[in-house]
Amino acid sequence: AQKVTQAQTEISVVEKEDVTLDCVYETRDTTYYLFWYKQPPSGELVFLIRRNSFDEQNEISGRYSWNFQKSTSSFNFTITASQVVDSAVYFCALSGGPGAGSYQLTFGKGTKLSVIP
Amino acid sequence: DAGVIQSPRHEVTEMGQEVTLRCKPISGHNSLFWYRQTMMRGLELLIYFNNNVPIDDSGMPEDRFSAKMPNASFSTLKIQPSEPRDSAVYFCASRPVRGSSYNEQFFGPGTRLTVL
Repeated sequence: AQKVTQAQTEISVVEKEDVTLDCVYETRDTTYYLFWYKQPPSGELVFLIRRNSFDEQNEISGRYSWNFQKSTSSFNFTITASQVVDSAVYFCALSGGPGAGSYQLTFGKGTKLSVIP
Repeated sequence: DAGVIQSPRHEVTEMGQEVTLRCKPISGHNSLFWYRQTMMRGLELLIYFNNNVPIDDSGMPEDRFSAKMPNASFSTLKIQPSEPRDSAVYFCASRPVRGSSYNEQFFGPGTRLTVL
């Protein structure tokens, strides 16, 4: 069975602070994919990143960066110089790879980030 | 390109009524997923289709829920009879067959259902 744990339920930071959102996953698949989605107050789910299990390179996109560590089964997300517009619920998710057959997403419970001006 | 389209965006109904949620996936995507989001349970998969065929419906809560995909461009999720505990946001997502976004699910805006 697959499982995604986001231990931080809510985080508050002051604007311009850096913040890291933690994600730990469990899977028996040898090939799998990890995702981060953003859900702003308007409610839609916005795709941020996909990472496959055989690519452990960290990724940076503007103020966003992701740290994938297979050894600790973690896929953490850092926002640098946070802004009020970053306030949202962030979900980490996991899906199986081609061998798993289903590609269904297993979501964590989400971390609500509030950026205070 | 239009994204995943869901209708209605909001639905308020009374307990016992039939509710039908609709989804139009992105053209060319061959997999379709229905998810439900509640405060208590978070985001959970209800059912998914591959090439219009239901593959896994183990997430469907009970027999009151049913889903169909009569063709590649349309799917419905029906609740009959509805109950207050069905109140949630229901998301539809589709996934492409191939390309750089393979295995990425594209989500619709969701339908917020309130059962009184």
